[in-house]
Amino acid sequence: QLQLQESGPGLVKPSETLSLTCTVSGGSISSSSYYWGWIRQPPGKGLEWIGNMYYSGTTYYNPSLKSRVTISIDTSKNQFSLKLRSVTAADTAVYFCARHVIHDSSGYPKPLLDYWGQGTLVTVSS
Amino acid sequence: EIVLTQSPGTLSLSPGERATLSCRASQTVSTSYLAWYQQKPGQAPRLLIYGTSTRATGIPDRFSGSGSGTDFSLTISRLEPEDFAVYYCQQFGSSLWTFGQGTKVEIK
Repeated sequence: QLQLQESGPGLVKPSETLSLTCTVSGGSISSSSYYWGWIRQPPGKGLEWIGNMYYSGTTYYNPSLKSRVTISIDTSKNQFSLKLRSVTAADTAVYFCARHVIHDSSGYPKPLLDYWGQGTLVTVSS
Repeated sequence: EIVLTQSPGTLSLSPGERATLSCRASQTVSTSYLAWYQQKPGQAPRLLIYGTSTRATGIPDRFSGSGSGTDFSLTISRLEPEDFAVYYCQQFGSSLWTFGQGTKVEIK
């Protein structure tokens, strides 16, 4: 059974960089079928897609966050990471990592997010 | 960027009743690219429906999805106690993913 687990500081100061890691177990992050990415949810609010990455290096980012976000993958550790620069209180949220499916095995479009981490709360405060 | 608008914001129903949730897109969305998720407090979202109408593994058949173009819906035929939660629609387009703002289904 695939499992994803977020880790990282729960408190970040304003203007600093938020850094989180997602560790994948029960499957390889180098699989050709999947992207790996991040979604966040401010307290009491809805879901916001941050971005994703293919193991080969292709990345896609939410245009509203693109200037501050970097997602990277470490295939040797079966992990992927999120860096969000110049954070403010508006970046306070639960951050989820998730597996992104784009196509099924036949190449037919089937975009969905099928495995999620439990989420980790990151608070931006001095 | 395609914006998804869900309605109503809150649906107050009793167990056993039928729930119909709406998701309207600002532009046409391929039926292959529309999914629904359920989220309970303190939990990650769970995939319910993908490709507009295909139930994910293990999802009971009281959940069904339909729609095309810009109008999509999720129907829960008879609400069970465990179905009271927040539901999000999600679309994929131009390699970007967006979510609706959610509909809360609460016990009346």
